[in-house]
Amino acid sequence: DAKTTQPTSMDCAEGRAANLPCNHSTISGNEYVYWYRQIHSQGPQYIIHGLKNNETNEMASLIITEDRKSSTLILPHATLRDTAVYYCIVRLHSGNTPLVFGKGTRLSVIA
Amino acid sequence: EAQVTQNPRYLITVTGKKLTVTCSQNMNHEYMSWYRQDPGLGLRQIYYSMNVEVTDKGDVPEGYKVSRKEKRNFPLILESPSPNQTSLYFCASSLSPGQGKAFFGQGTRLTVV
Repeated sequence: DAKTTQPTSMDCAEGRAANLPCNHSTISGNEYVYWYRQIHSQGPQYIIHGLKNNETNEMASLIITEDRKSSTLILPHATLRDTAVYYCIVRLHSGNTPLVFGKGTRLSVIA
Repeated sequence: EAQVTQNPRYLITVTGKKLTVTCSQNMNHEYMSWYRQDPGLGLRQIYYSMNVEVTDKGDVPEGYKVSRKEKRNFPLILESPSPNQTSLYFCASSLSPGQGKAFFGQGTRLTVV
């Protein structure tokens, strides 16, 4: 069963903020939200993760709703190099919990 | 620079000819794993290792072997490759088994003819 739901694809103008939504309505209280991206068959790249609070790092911001049933990854100033497939993953922080990559969102940043 | 290195990047081989894909990480990570990626199926875990000499099967282990004799290395072995093992393979490592922040290698594209 899919634990997350993401739009198949999105476009974003270069220089604008890219807002990528993710629905995870069945998330449990101790599951984290992770975001990865994969640029054209390269190895997936970790972006950010969070549990309850909003998080920000040098790459992106993660906004998690109060009920934790959805989240949004924000790339504040998208560039052409941000064109990639973005994966939202929920997982526990315990044992062998493999990263389960769904289909993700294909983000195209357009000049 | 923190990295996971896979070799080779590209490999074409024939059915039945044993091959090894190497994976090495320089971050002293405990946890390492192998994934394969196929169109329409996403990334699927093949094997994982929680530490030296501790390995276990992932979701799609058939036809593969691994070993973890040293902390930094986690080779993937195909004893008798078959065409259905044609795929894009990724090695990943993370600090500990529960840690979800993983570092991935650049991938190995394997074709078995």
